[in-house]
Amino acid sequence: DAGITQSPRHKVTETGTPVTLRCHQTENHRYMYWYRQDPGHGLRLIHYSYGVKDTDKGEVSDGYSVSRSKTEDFLLTLESATSSQTSVYFCAMGNTDNEQFFGPGTRLTVL
Amino acid sequence: GNSVTQMEGPVTLSEEAFLTINCTYTATGYPSLFWYVQYPGEGLQLLLKATKADDKGSNKGFEATYRKETTSFHLEKGSVQVSDSAVYFCALSDGGSYIPTFGRGTSLIVHP
Repeated sequence: DAGITQSPRHKVTETGTPVTLRCHQTENHRYMYWYRQDPGHGLRLIHYSYGVKDTDKGEVSDGYSVSRSKTEDFLLTLESATSSQTSVYFCAMGNTDNEQFFGPGTRLTVL
Repeated sequence: GNSVTQMEGPVTLSEEAFLTINCTYTATGYPSLFWYVQYPGEGLQLLLKATKADDKGSNKGFEATYRKETTSFHLEKGSVQVSDSAVYFCALSDGGSYIPTFGRGTSLIVHP
């Protein structure tokens, strides 16, 4: 009963290749978020969504795009992966009480 | 803009010691305040929250009180366990935007 899942959980890719990370929720929450977590930087917001086809940029959106064609799915795409995008990526969903519920994370390594 | 400042870690304690992790914030309006916990290899989990001044959030022996006069939301626990070892994040949400602001996180290490 995780409520929110991410796939893949681990990925190794090469510089210049496109990568798509998937987030899936079963709670019908309107708000969804993608973060990256790096040592010394804490959590940084990449993109977020207020609903289907309603997305906006966060503080570190360069090199990333997102799509939300269904309430339950929020995709993060790295158009052309770079080594600086090696990180742990977390998806989260939010309710109207401003509580956030996080997925288990995806560890991405770009060689 | 909004900001959250947490004490630098790591905080290292012996089992059964008293824990305080400081958190102060800057915000316009009247935000909701949260503590999240991240265990190794996992995502963040909501630990407790408070939505207005003088509210006390509590869960699993942890407590934090929303202090508007000092713009603080310090996390406390009377007797920590090894299993409390984790990273703790203070956060605030301004109800109008649904975009939270997180602190940098404080690592807690509890030794037996």
